[in-house]
Amino acid sequence: LAKTTQPISMDSYEGQEVNITCSHNNIATNDYITWYQQFPSQGPRFIIQGYKTKVTNEVASLFIPADRKSSTLSLPRVSLSDTAVYYCLVSTGANNLFFGTGTRLTVIP
Amino acid sequence: DAGITQSPRHKVTETGTPVTLRCHQTENHRYMYWYRQDPGHGLRLIHYSYGVKDTDKGEVSDGYSVSRSKTEDFLLTLESATSSQTSVYFCAISESTSGRRSSYNEQFFGPGTRLTVL
Repeated sequence: LAKTTQPISMDSYEGQEVNITCSHNNIATNDYITWYQQFPSQGPRFIIQGYKTKVTNEVASLFIPADRKSSTLSLPRVSLSDTAVYYCLVSTGANNLFFGTGTRLTVIP
Repeated sequence: DAGITQSPRHKVTETGTPVTLRCHQTENHRYMYWYRQDPGHGLRLIHYSYGVKDTDKGEVSDGYSVSRSKTEDFLLTLESATSSQTSVYFCAISESTSGRRSSYNEQFFGPGTRLTVL
């Protein structure tokens, strides 16, 4: 079972780049890594997904080393609106979707 | 935003009473999921469905049952609610893509239902 471990919380100043790392030592060969963002009183929202190396979209980058035992979500130049909880998800199937406890990011003015 | 609604949005009930939460989608997605979210535990999968009348258990299924008689509706039932089931419940949907596991596909979440069992 590919469960995940993330830091409980992080603080960052506006305009800085933020990197959140997730450990998933038991990731299976066919698993993808997905990150979600959740604001208070809302459901999570998809940010980015990858399998290996680097993926970039309009809001974030995802770095995955060759052994795939960890992944790093990178948020460039964060703003106050990026304050949220970020979840790393690795699954071994629809019945094994482990979101973990997430990382609470606080962006400071 | 994906067309997902949950009802009720808030509910307070007493221990031992039955409770049913409803998730309704207008996206015609094949997969539907129920999660609960608790402080210190994050999101945990309760049950999921991969088609009409096709359901399976997740990580924390004890005390919960589900039903899906139509593509658009996925019901979560607590037969006899307990205080440990006080939580925020989220429904999610995802599409099925040929040649790709459903779990790889982006999940769209509903607004959540806050349930309090006294």
